[in-house]
Amino acid sequence: AQKVTQAQTEISVVEKEDVTLDCVYETRDTTYYLFWYKQPPSGELVFLIRRNSFDEQNEISGRYSWNFQKSTSSFNFTITASQVVDSAVYFCALSEAGRGGYNKLIFGAGTRLAVHP
Amino acid sequence: DTGVSQDPRHKITKRGQNVTFRCDPISEHNRLYWYRQTLGQGPEFLTYFQNEAQLEKSRLLSDRFSAERPKGSFSTLEIQRTEQGDSAMYLCASSPPAANEKLFFGSGTQLSVL
Repeated sequence: AQKVTQAQTEISVVEKEDVTLDCVYETRDTTYYLFWYKQPPSGELVFLIRRNSFDEQNEISGRYSWNFQKSTSSFNFTITASQVVDSAVYFCALSEAGRGGYNKLIFGAGTRLAVHP
Repeated sequence: DTGVSQDPRHKITKRGQNVTFRCDPISEHNRLYWYRQTLGQGPEFLTYFQNEAQLEKSRLLSDRFSAERPKGSFSTLEIQRTEQGDSAMYLCASSPPAANEKLFFGSGTQLSVL
């Protein structure tokens, strides 16, 4: 069965600190997709990144970076120089491929990040 | 791109009443999903439509739940005889025809059953 574990329930940092959000997943599929979404207080889930299982290159987008390691089944997310606007709940999600092309996302429980001035 | 729209944003109802939610996906998206999110948890998959066809339903979708997408555009989710355990955020998402694309989520409908 597929499963996503985000062990950190809440993280609190001071502005400008770096913070890493952990994500560990379980799947028997060889082809799958991993996602990160941000959910600010407004409630709408905002897409951050999609990575397929064959692409283990780390990715950087501005202050955001992602570290995908198949050997440890992890897909961790780092925010560099955090800002108050980064305060939100962050979700990691897994989707197996080959389901007719649609993504049935399995979400972790989320990590609530609070960035204080 | 107007985004995924959901209506209403909030719904308060009494136990036993029926409720209906509406979702308008992004216009060129033929794939539509419903998820449910309870407090402190990640969203859970409920059902998936490709055009007007409902291709997958979760076991979470009891007989009291029914979803439709009659013309392959907007979708409705109806809950009959609501129970307090139905209280949750109901999220709609859509994605384009290309395979395994990201999902675009709406702001959700927060249901409170008293």
